[in-house]
Amino acid sequence: GAVVSQHPSWVICKSGTSVKIECRSLDFQATTMFWYRQFPKQSLMLMATSNEGSKATYEQGVEKDKFLINHASLTLSTLTVTSAHPEDSSFYICSPQGSRYEQYFGPGTRLTVT
Amino acid sequence: DAKTTQPNSMESNEEEPVHLPCNHSTISGTDYIHWYRQLPSQGPEYVIHGLTSNVNNRMASLAIAEDRKSSTLILHRATLRDAAVYYCIQSGGTSYGKLTFGQGTILTVHP
Repeated sequence: GAVVSQHPSWVICKSGTSVKIECRSLDFQATTMFWYRQFPKQSLMLMATSNEGSKATYEQGVEKDKFLINHASLTLSTLTVTSAHPEDSSFYICSPQGSRYEQYFGPGTRLTVT
Repeated sequence: DAKTTQPNSMESNEEEPVHLPCNHSTISGTDYIHWYRQLPSQGPEYVIHGLTSNVNNRMASLAIAEDRKSSTLILHRATLRDAAVYYCIQSGGTSYGKLTFGQGTILTVHP
């Protein structure tokens, strides 16, 4: 399968600060990027969808001003959690999709807000 | 809400076949059936997907019922590394790629 990386793999930040998570598709071009989050002992929940060069579309209940998504290139997308709070602590997973609808998942980023 | 239903958990012994069932009674003609699995603290891993015909790959086989309302993921010889949460997902049409994950099946493999 394709290689997808996320950085950092885990991060601890203080409440009120912002955290940026990078997702890179290393050997294919991601025309579409999906961002998911997963709370402990729960399943993955889709947060937003973005196409390269376009604004992201957010799922109901996800604050677009809090979770900033940038998909400026076909190999890099970023998710910035602004003014993080403890309830934002979660496992964030990117899922790039190629032009032929092949879809992969990143290894995830564990965010802990103290 | 997830559109598929799966048993919460299943157990198997190492080197035995495992059949993981999934019901997707609301599936439409353009929906694919996808299977992913997830190990603790890792992102999901693609296993297999299909539309109407049975599918085989290096990891598993997917048997799709004739009416497409159910399917079965078959691991031919379970190993300890196959212990994971297995998700069955239906997706297609304009929402292709927007995968809705249910709770999945926790597969335990005993040595």
